[in-house]
Amino acid sequence: AQTVTQSQPEMSVQEAETVTLSCTYDTSENNYYLFWYKQPPSRQMILVIRQEAYKQQNATENRFSVNFQKAAKSFSLKISDSQLGDTAMYFCAFMKGGGSNYKLTFGKGTLLTVNP
Amino acid sequence: DAGVIQSPRHEVTEMGQEVTLRCKPISGHDYLFWYRQTMMRGLELLIYFNNNVPIDDSGMPEDRFSAKMPNASFSTLKIQPSEPRDSAVYFCASSFTGRAGYTFGSGTRLTVV
Repeated sequence: AQTVTQSQPEMSVQEAETVTLSCTYDTSENNYYLFWYKQPPSRQMILVIRQEAYKQQNATENRFSVNFQKAAKSFSLKISDSQLGDTAMYFCAFMKGGGSNYKLTFGKGTLLTVNP
Repeated sequence: DAGVIQSPRHEVTEMGQEVTLRCKPISGHDYLFWYRQTMMRGLELLIYFNNNVPIDDSGMPEDRFSAKMPNASFSTLKIQPSEPRDSAVYFCASSFTGRAGYTFGSGTRLTVV
């Protein structure tokens, strides 16, 4: 079974600075997908970024980028120019590739607070 | 598109009562997922459907939980009878093909007293 570990329960950053959230996972699969979701106080789960394991290039979405280290099974999220609206819980998630099993396995989350 | 729509947003019920949570997925999405979120266990997959057919219900806690998807635009998650340990936020999500990730609804916060 796959496991996803987020070792930082809470983090804080000053507005406009850069912060990196850590995520590691354990799997014997070679083909898989990784995701970061954001859950602000409104409770809505919002997809931030997605990475395909067979792509070496790190995914980027505006101020959000990932550092995907497949051999180390590490998938960290970097948020540049942090904004107050980035305050939220951030969840790392894993999905097996191949077949038709589309289950997302989530980590426990990291609560990020952006301070003015 | 209005996104994934869940109702009600909040539900408070007494132990032993039947609870029905509702979900309308995004039109055209062929996968629908029900997740439960608690502080202790985080986000857990309960069940998911593909083209209205249940594919994996191994996460359903026990026989008190049931889910249906009578058509492509509607799904329900029912708990009967409800217990205090069922208190959680229940999310519905939908996806086209699954690999692109899900779009989640706003969730239903269920409190069983």
